[in-house]
Amino acid sequence: EIVMTQSPATLSVSPGERATLSCRASQSVGSDLTWYQQKPGQAPRLLIYGASIRATGIPARFSGSGSGTDFTLTISSLQSEDFAVYYCQQYNSWPPTFGLGTNLDIK
Amino acid sequence: QVQLVESGGGLLKPGGSLRLSCAASGFTFSDYYMSWIRQAPGKGLEWVSYISGSGTTTYYADSVKGRFTISRDNAKNSLYLQMDSLRAEDTAVYYCARVIHRGSGYSDYWGQGTLATVSS
Repeated sequence: EIVMTQSPATLSVSPGERATLSCRASQSVGSDLTWYQQKPGQAPRLLIYGASIRATGIPARFSGSGSGTDFTLTISSLQSEDFAVYYCQQYNSWPPTFGLGTNLDIK
Repeated sequence: QVQLVESGGGLLKPGGSLRLSCAASGFTFSDYYMSWIRQAPGKGLEWVSYISGSGTTTYYADSVKGRFTISRDNAKNSLYLQMDSLRAEDTAVYYCARVIHRGSGYSDYWGQGTLATVSS
């Protein structure tokens, strides 16, 4: 199965600053990559699919990029509600696999 | 709006059985693949199983194959997960999620989850 590696495990950023989260696949997944946001006690929420397409209702400050094996989620100006855990997931091949997450916390 | 509501979680002993349910609303249920995804306490996400809209095609993670059975009742807009031969490592919050079936699939809507705890 494809292994998804996220870095860093924890990222501390101040509100208003930019955050850049990385996700690497053990083999090419094309653009078949999603990003999810999860807050404590809540279900994950879809942010990005197709590596760069924002899901319905997702603010423009969230952007995704990359293809093949290397992907990035960028949050351009962090708001208080953005501090959460972020997961990437590939859906290029079975089984779909998730990274272990990046915990984005307040600096 | 799309709504997914899980139920059926609880405390079980190893070797026991549990049946999870998910009630769906706000979309044409039979048009979508559906999935169960789990999250062990303090851990990441693991895709457990999914099922086609008609119910004729199913997929399972190796970790649950032969022990879990996914099914659906489109007349009742409901998804199920029968969990048998439970192990401590099956302890997790189980999420029901709607699948966008591109490649192996991703989920655009998730329920709030139901906790299954397996402990002696």
